[in-house]
Amino acid sequence: EVVMTQSPLSLPVTLGQPASISCTSSQSLVYSDGNIYLNWFQQRPGQSPRRLIYEVSKRDSRVPDRISGSGSGTDFTLKITRVEADDVGVYYCMQGTHWPWTFGQGTRVEIK
Amino acid sequence: QVQLQESGPGLVKPSETLSLTCTVSGDSISTYYWSWIRQPPGKGLELIGYIYHSGDINYNPSLRGRVTMSIDAPKNQFSLKLTSVTAADTAVYYCVRNTRRPDYWGQGTQVTVSS
Repeated sequence: EVVMTQSPLSLPVTLGQPASISCTSSQSLVYSDGNIYLNWFQQRPGQSPRRLIYEVSKRDSRVPDRISGSGSGTDFTLKITRVEADDVGVYYCMQGTHWPWTFGQGTRVEIK
Repeated sequence: QVQLQESGPGLVKPSETLSLTCTVSGDSISTYYWSWIRQPPGKGLELIGYIYHSGDINYNPSLRGRVTMSIDAPKNQFSLKLTSVTAADTAVYYCVRNTRRPDYWGQGTQVTVSS
């Protein structure tokens, strides 16, 4: 099973400042079709997870462009350029390349 | 607008079978893959498995043969059965559209295993 390791696990951020979350996989996430099935989700308190990014860097509709994803192979990053109050929650990376798909442990983003 | 709604008992006794149904609206169940994902209290997310109307099904090996999924295309629903449940199966269960790139999620349903 592919292990997804996120860091940090807790991220206190000042409003308006940038934030970055790292996600490392124990194996390359390049699939035989050439795609990398790496997703990012945000889970606000009391809500279902919401997908933000799929295939490393493709942003879902209604996701602001201050949120972006990047990476390749085994190392991936989610960046928020200017944190807003709406960004509070737990962020998960998830790989859909190797069965069973697996999630990172989650990174809790809070406002300082 | 795609919507998914989980339904089923919120309380299941140990050793019994957990049964949940997901009703899909705004989309045909024959178009996509569908998944179940769960989240134990205060913990992270775990994929249970996925199903496609053609019969392509895959279950997480960690559930050791206790899982069965099925689709009812005329009702636009898919279902989950988990046998021999224990307290470790207590979680919020989500039904989700897609599998490699889950996009639409249900609101989740809390299932507690307790006598």
